[in-house]
This record gives sequence, C-alpha cells and structure tokens, in this order.
Amino acid sequence: AQTVTQSQPEMSVQEAETVTLSCTYDTSESDYYLFWYKQPPSRQMILVIRQEAYKQQNATENRFSVNFQKAAKSFSLKISDSQLGDAAMYFCAYRIQNYGGATNKLIFGTGTLLAVQP
Amino acid sequence: ETGVTQTPRHLVMGMTNKKSLKCEQHLGHNAMYWYKQSAKKPLELMFVYNFKEQTENNSVPSRFSPECPNSSHLFLHLHTLQPEDSALYLCASSQGSSGVVDTQYFGPGTRLTVL
Repeated sequence: AQTVTQSQPEMSVQEAETVTLSCTYDTSESDYYLFWYKQPPSRQMILVIRQEAYKQQNATENRFSVNFQKAAKSFSLKISDSQLGDAAMYFCAYRIQNYGGATNKLIFGTGTLLAVQP
Repeated sequence: ETGVTQTPRHLVMGMTNKKSLKCEQHLGHNAMYWYKQSAKKPLELMFVYNFKEQTENNSVPSRFSPECPNSSHLFLHLHTLQPEDSALYLCASSQGSSGVVDTQYFGPGTRLTVL
C-alpha cells in the first residue's frame, strides 16, 4: 500500500528566508503524481504545486519549487522569500496514475505546520 | 472560495440527531469526494463519486450516508453519530478524467462536533 510520510510536524522560518519541507513516500508504482497542498488557518485547502513522476524536471511555481528524487522517493517543497501569508499547514499527497477509470485517490501525509516569523 | 462551497461551516449535533452536510462545486467537474480530517492524522478519503456513481467507499460506517444527485452537488447524511466522529469534513472535486493529472480542488470544510 502506498504511504506518505512528513517527518516534520512543525517548522518555523523568518520572513524573507527560505525553508524546505520534507516528504517521502512509498510505492511500487512507476507512474504517479505528487502534490503539495496548503491549508491556511481559514481551512480552505489550496493546491501549491504538482509533479508528474515521469517528468525529471522539478516543478516550479513562483516562490515554490520542489526537489523530486524519484529513486529516493522524496518530494520536498522549497519556499523562497517566505511571506507571512505562507503560514499554514502543508500537506504532501500522492496519487497513482489513473488508467481505465480507476479512482483518483489521494494519499495524504500528516502535514507540516509552518510558522513565519516577522 | 467560490469553486467548491460547503454548508454549514460549523455544526454541533447530539448523538441522536440527523443532519446533512452539503457540498456544491462550480467548476464543471465530474468527480466529487468526501474526506475526514482529524487532528494529527492524515486526511481520510471516505467516498468518491464519478459521474454521479459511487466508485469508492473506504469502509465508512453506515451512520454516514452519501448522496450525489448530480455532478455539481454532494451530500453527506449523518445519523446516530459518535463523539469520535467529530472532525473537519472536507469536500473536493476534480475533472474525473483518466490518464491526466486530475487535480482535486477542496471546499472550506464543515467543522462537526458531536456531543
């Protein structure tokens, strides 16, 4: 069974600094997707960034980038120039490639609570 | 927060009550999901509907009863709940297509407290 592990329950970063959140996963599949979601205190879960496993290039979205190491089954999120609005719970999630109508099932980690210090 | 909406945002109910949670998506998606979010635990997938058909029931107790009358609306009917059912219940939707990334978009959640 696939599992997702986030080993850092809480992290803290100074405003304008860079922070990296770690995520590892376990799967026997070769084709899958990985996601980082952000859940601010208002609770709406928002997609931050996604990565297709077949792509070797790391995904980037503005200040957010990932370090995807497929062999190591590692998918870390780097937030550059941290802002106060980045304070939230961050969830890493895994989804198997869906062929032939299988359920698009997301497997989530337990989350990392990020605090941003002014 | 207009893509996926959920009502009510907060609900307190006794163990003998019957209540319903509502989810509506305005994204033209075909798949909808119910998740349970408890403190210190990963999100737990409860139910999946694809084109109004239930495609996943993740061993959820029968006191939770989903209903999907159309691709835009999803309900979770609650009856005789237990205090351990207190949690944040999240609804999500996605395009529902196979072979593509099919990102899920979430609603704000309903905070449920069972007394």
